[in-house]
Amino acid sequence: NAGVTQTPKFQVLKTGQSMTLQCAQDMNHEYMSWYRQDPGMGLRLIHYSVGAGITDQGEVPNGYNVSRSTTEDFPLRLLSAAPSQTSVYFCASRDTGFSSGANVLTFGAGSRLTVL
Amino acid sequence: AQSVAQPEDQVNVAEGNPLTVKCTYSVSGNPYLFWYVQYPNRGLQFLLKYITGDNLVKGSYGFEAEFNKSQTSFHLKKPSALVSDSALYFCAVRPRGSNFNKFYFGSGTKLNVKP
Repeated sequence: NAGVTQTPKFQVLKTGQSMTLQCAQDMNHEYMSWYRQDPGMGLRLIHYSVGAGITDQGEVPNGYNVSRSTTEDFPLRLLSAAPSQTSVYFCASRDTGFSSGANVLTFGAGSRLTVL
Repeated sequence: AQSVAQPEDQVNVAEGNPLTVKCTYSVSGNPYLFWYVQYPNRGLQFLLKYITGDNLVKGSYGFEAEFNKSQTSFHLKKPSALVSDSALYFCAVRPRGSNFNKFYFGSGTKLNVKP
């Protein structure tokens, strides 16, 4: 059981370049989300999805796009990277049923992005 | 606006002593409350949660947390700290109202347990 898998683990971009951070989960979770972690600011929600074809904005959505074509995958796209997007990005998913784990987020290992 | 405050950037405690990591929140209604732990270069791991019921909840690795509705606090505690508890701890809330699909995290508290 792999849980939540993020790729790549590390990436260096130049300003203006585009890239996609991949996130996949094998727990059949309907809810998936992306966070960025910056020193002293904790984790901030970028985008989330409650199922295939459904996405919504979080606290800091500007500069990022998402789509959800399958239950398993939730990629995060940076269309034109900026130095302010240098951060560690985490994907997280959760069960939306009525189990005891329904409220608990399961996190990936993170993707460290540097924009020069 | 929803917010979560962890007033201490760092907490230092000697091994064997009790520890407390503080968390207060400003979220409408009665939110779900969580603690997560992050070890270096790893993702966050779930420690415990408060949904309803007893104000003292117990979680993984001997940690517990006390919910105080009047003070809107959810402090993390452990009776006897271990060196291996050294990590970054995050408090999080999930509102029950219109923002129920969003989790809000505090800024994190680094726990240092010294031998």
